[in-house]
Amino acid sequence: QVQLQESGPGLVKPSDTLSLTCTVSGASVSSGDFYWSWIRQAPGKGLEWIGNVYYRGTTIYNASLKSRLNILIDTSKNQFFLRLNSVTAADTAVYFCAREIESGALAFNLWGRGAPVTVSS
Amino acid sequence: QSVLTQPPSVSAAPGQKVTITCSGGSSNIGNNHVAWYQQLPGTAPRLLIYDTKERLSGVPDRFSGSKSGTSATLAITGLQIGDEADYYCGTWDTRLSEVMFGGGTRLTVL
Repeated sequence: QVQLQESGPGLVKPSDTLSLTCTVSGASVSSGDFYWSWIRQAPGKGLEWIGNVYYRGTTIYNASLKSRLNILIDTSKNQFFLRLNSVTAADTAVYFCAREIESGALAFNLWGRGAPVTVSS
Repeated sequence: QSVLTQPPSVSAAPGQKVTITCSGGSSNIGNNHVAWYQQLPGTAPRLLIYDTKERLSGVPDRFSGSKSGTSATLAITGLQIGDEADYYCGTWDTRLSEVMFGGGTRLTVL
């Protein structure tokens, strides 16, 4: 059974870097040709796709976040990472890591439980 | 404001049918598959439908997806109290090269 688990600080100061890790168990991030994604949800708001990473390291980013965003993958640790710098209160959200149901489908059937992140001084 | 437009809320009585629409354009729904998600409060979204009309294993056949032109529809028949949730559509936008989600629709089962 494939599981995803987000981890990282729940509180980040304005202008700092938000860093989250998604640990994958039950499957290898380098098998199956999947894209691994980050998605967030601000309080009371809808879903926002942040971006994804392929096991070879190629990425696709949400254009509105691209200048502040870095998504990385470590196949040896079976993890992928979100780095969002220069954060503001608008980045306060629950951050989910997710995997698509089949290669290239970009429909997400596997989700972590979500990591709530608050940006505040 | 999302590229994909959903009604903020829909409601119907138990046992009835409800439809949730997701309107987009030629660069997203018009030329790509659509997915539908159900989100209960405090939980991660759950994929219901992918490839526009394929039901995920374990999803009741009361849920069905369809598409016409640049709009997609999620239909739920035989409504149950447990179907009360937020529903989101999602698809790839070829012009923006991004995954897009609709703004979400809150379903109330009266």
